[in-house]
Parts: sequence; C-alpha cells; structure tokens
Amino acid sequence: DAKTTQPTSMDCAEGRAANLPCNHSTISGNEYVYWYRQIHSQGPQYIIHGLKNNETNEMASLIITEDRKSSTLILPHATLRDTAVYYCIVTITGTASKLTFGTGTRLQVTL
Amino acid sequence: DGGITQSPKYLFRKEGQNVTLSCEQNLNHDAMYWYRQDPGQGLRLIYYSQIVNDFQKGDIAEGYSVSREKKESFPLTVTSAQKNPTAFYLCASSIAQGGNEQFFGPGTRLTVL
Repeated sequence: DAKTTQPTSMDCAEGRAANLPCNHSTISGNEYVYWYRQIHSQGPQYIIHGLKNNETNEMASLIITEDRKSSTLILPHATLRDTAVYYCIVTITGTASKLTFGTGTRLQVTL
Repeated sequence: DGGITQSPKYLFRKEGQNVTLSCEQNLNHDAMYWYRQDPGQGLRLIYYSQIVNDFQKGDIAEGYSVSREKKESFPLTVTSAQKNPTAFYLCASSIAQGGNEQFFGPGTRLTVL
C-alpha cells in the first residue's frame, strides 16, 4: 500500500469548513483513497473513499487531485462532535484487505 | 440494530495469564479483523479472517491467537508470550468482496498488572 503523509494536528472554528490534506505521491493506479476518523477512546468510523473522481456523502467531501498524488477531506460545517483523529489510507479494494493506519491528523474544533 | 460488540470494555489481568477478548457481529460480514492501538499511535493489524475456519497473521501476530469457528464470532486470545499486552484492542468486520469499509466495535482496553 502507498504511504500517506498528513499534518499532525489542525484547528477549526465551529461552523467553518475543515479541510484536511493528505499526500500520497506513490499511489498506484488501482489504489483507492479511504478516510476514517476516530473519536477519543472509540473505534474508527468510515467516512468516505474514492479512486479519482471527487466524492460526496452526508458526512464529507473528498477532493482528489488530477494526478492523484494528494487529496483533501472537507467537512463543510465542522461541529464540536467532529473533533477526532482523521486517518487517510491508500489501499487496493476488492477482497478483504488490510488497512494501514498511520498516526493521522488530530482535528480540534473550537467555539 | 446491526453492529459489532466487544466485551468487556475494560479488562484487567495479572502478568502471565492468558486472556480472551470477545468480538461478535450481526452484520453478516465474511471478513473480521483484530487491531491493537497504543497511546498516540495508529492501529496495527494483529490477525484477520476472510472466511470461517480460516485466518491470516497481520503485522504483529506474535503472542496472540484467534479462532473463527462461526461467521459471527472472532475471539482473540492474548497469551503470556505477548511481551507488552497492555493496549486498546479493536475488532472490525467488512464484506469480503468489493470494498474496505470496515465497521469497528467499541474496543476493549486491556491492562496487565
């Protein structure tokens, strides 16, 4: 699986958009970008994934650059409940695969 | 409600004792996983199973054992051979084909005294 690089921490004001970047310059053609988040002392929660097109669901949007070497997870209106560690993972899909979780980005949403 | 349950939430054991952590899912998922998380770190894969009666070692399998006798259940035994067993243990499941959306349980925090 391709290695990912994320900032260690970020702050965001409540109600503003949170933009979390991820670099994955060694991504290969059949690898997807997955995002999970982990609220303190809970299990991680799947957010969204994509291959090359931008994706949106009820939780977030995923913007992948045209060369696929980086992506951004966007939480359009961050709330205090979005405070968590966000993990960007690059992996092939298909049969059950291992996910490699790095240390992620700790997002702190403040009033 | 469908989901994954892990019990207990907190577990204390004396050094040298084996301990088994429970993981049950009613999502009808074929694949199940065990991860370990240490403070301030990401998750590391211990074992995973894609189908009943079959499982594979992950990145840190030494000192752990698993069984998969039923689709719904994937218990993890932390043996006395595991040198640093105190950690947060997370179980997950997913469909076997088509994606990597893993559903996680609430975790078990194991402390070995």
